[in-house]
Amino acid sequence: ETGVTQSPTHLIKTRGQQVTLRCSSQSGHNTVSWYQQALGQGPQFIFQYYREEENGRGNFPPRFSGLQFPNYSSELNVNALELDDSALYLCASSLAGTSGTETQYFGPGTRLLVL
Amino acid sequence: QKEVEQNSGPLSVPEGAIASLNCTYSDRVSQSFFWYRQYSGKSPELIMSIYSNGDKEDGRFTAQLNKASQYVSLLIRDSQPSDSATYLCAVNKAAGNKLTFGGGTRVLVKP
Repeated sequence: ETGVTQSPTHLIKTRGQQVTLRCSSQSGHNTVSWYQQALGQGPQFIFQYYREEENGRGNFPPRFSGLQFPNYSSELNVNALELDDSALYLCASSLAGTSGTETQYFGPGTRLLVL
Repeated sequence: QKEVEQNSGPLSVPEGAIASLNCTYSDRVSQSFFWYRQYSGKSPELIMSIYSNGDKEDGRFTAQLNKASQYVSLLIRDSQPSDSATYLCAVNKAAGNKLTFGGGTRVLVKP
């Protein structure tokens, strides 16, 4: 167990709806990254939050947005859901540094199905 | 060309044998390299990290890095049926920035 928690574990939405996914980072970690993993593929980086600000973003449209709270927990919001948004959403926590060797530890994920 | 490439497999290995997994990456400024194991329906679990050229051993696992060839590998010695999973190679280009993953190699260890 990594100490990273995510909620909910599963979610079913319909196209056009909005969804909020939540993540609590491991104790002592101050950085949260979000990834999308489609079936049969590797995770793809969505964005990262550090000190409550976005600190890097992958190739995802603006309808993917996030927040980080003072306790380092984070939310991922997706508006106007599309069928292709169906995936496993992974949150990873880490401790920010400058060495380039920061390790990210993943939560159990939220499986989202868009119908 | 994908940034991180892995053979999708499946790599079928007899129990007790060595499983050899390969990963190549395209960006020379990549700084740190990770192997994650992912069981079906579960999230990725860190197995190994490696930052310098050469070998790094941890139990039955050995990671090998060759930055000149832009190549990182993972050896699993004495493979067990419980090692059957998808192994993801991930690369970090900058400090605390983002991980870029390969598509994963599915490993099947047959008793």
